[in-house]
Amino acid sequence: EDQVTQSPEALRLQEGESSSLNCSYTVSGLRGLFWYRQDPGKGPEFLFTLYSAGEEKEKERLKATLTKKESFLHITAPKPEDSATYLCAVQLYNTDKLIFGTGTRLQVFP
Amino acid sequence: ETGVTQTPRHLVMGMTNKKSLKCEQHLGHNAMYWYKQSAKKPLELMFVYSLEERVENNSVPSRFSPECPNSSHLFLHLHTLQPEDSALYLCASSQAGYTDTQYFGPGTRLTVL
Repeated sequence: EDQVTQSPEALRLQEGESSSLNCSYTVSGLRGLFWYRQDPGKGPEFLFTLYSAGEEKEKERLKATLTKKESFLHITAPKPEDSATYLCAVQLYNTDKLIFGTGTRLQVFP
Repeated sequence: ETGVTQTPRHLVMGMTNKKSLKCEQHLGHNAMYWYKQSAKKPLELMFVYSLEERVENNSVPSRFSPECPNSSHLFLHLHTLQPEDSALYLCASSQAGYTDTQYFGPGTRLTVL
């Protein structure tokens, strides 16, 4: 069965304290892996797409990496405005369907 | 308006009511989606429309009825819902063809009494 697991479920960081969020997946055929950010009461906001093992993408304090079994979202020197839930989703070959994880709720304190 | 918009943003309804959720995308996409987001659960895909034809119905109860009159608009008609249907309903759009990113609207927070 295709499955996406995110860890940790929740993460509390001090401002400036770097860390990583994990997304592990077991799927029949990976077309792409997506990271989204979701603020309370809002829809998910697209961050990155990764297509092949070894690929990396960066945006401001965020860097996403991909291996054959998992993806990491590295947050460098986070700020309070980075507080949100981060969602990972995988897309299988020959389908529009996204399979989502349950998310990691990140809180960054000043 | 830009991106994907949804109305209403909040909806409270009784179990015997009939209501509709509306989604509109301003991105020139030709695929649209309905998702359900409940607390502590992953986003669940409900329906997919590609080029205005329904291509996926993810075993959703018949009390949810989608409608896609054109590539820019998507509706979700609701009737005789149950309290467990209370959730955030998200609409998304993308360019059909399995390769494009899905962009989400802000969602409708539905409460069924």
